[in-house]
Amino acid sequence: GNSVTQMEGPVTLSEEAFLTINCTYTATGYPSLFWYVQYPGEGLQLLLKATKADDKGSNKGFEATYRKETTSFHLEKGSVQVSDSAVYFCAHTSGGSYIPTFGRGTSLIVHP
Amino acid sequence: EAEVAQSPRYKITEKSQAVAFWCDPISGHATLYWYRQILGQGPELLVQFQDESVVDDSQLPKDRFSAERLKGVDSTLKIQPAELGDSAMYLCASSLSVKGENEKLFFGSGTQLSVL
Repeated sequence: GNSVTQMEGPVTLSEEAFLTINCTYTATGYPSLFWYVQYPGEGLQLLLKATKADDKGSNKGFEATYRKETTSFHLEKGSVQVSDSAVYFCAHTSGGSYIPTFGRGTSLIVHP
Repeated sequence: EAEVAQSPRYKITEKSQAVAFWCDPISGHATLYWYRQILGQGPELLVQFQDESVVDDSQLPKDRFSAERLKGVDSTLKIQPAELGDSAMYLCASSLSVKGENEKLFFGSGTQLSVL
């Protein structure tokens, strides 16, 4: 079936450290892939997306590349800030459904 | 920037009581979604509306949950009777239409339900 698997959290980093949050998926057809972010006390917001293989989504210094050969969409940022502390959700739409399937979320904590 | 409005922000109730959540999507958004997010998990779709019609309610526990969007604008999700396992964050989201696979969803801040 369709699913999204994310690395367990929390991920704890110091400010300016490099971030990677792993995400792999199983899907039929050619899914679109997304990263959503949920800041404390707020709803989910779309962070970035990629709609076909080898596409790179980017926003606010975050990047993720759609890797069909490894069915992955890992989230990266070169230098994290305290304000990046949030929960990050990987998601996809596939199989003709327009409704995103979400992963469990990965909590990121950035210390000054 | 326009937002999806939800109320109440928090709700505490006893099991077997009835609860209701309200959502007002972004003006002009035809599609509305209710998601449930259990602590430590990702959101799971409960029901999807296109205007006033239900598109998908296959994951809605219909013995106790109901949802309506009578005029195709705001929506109410009800649980009766509430059970301990219903404790979760209930998220509402909206999008312009359901026709685009890459349609961006806009989420509200959610209603945190605690059933005692």
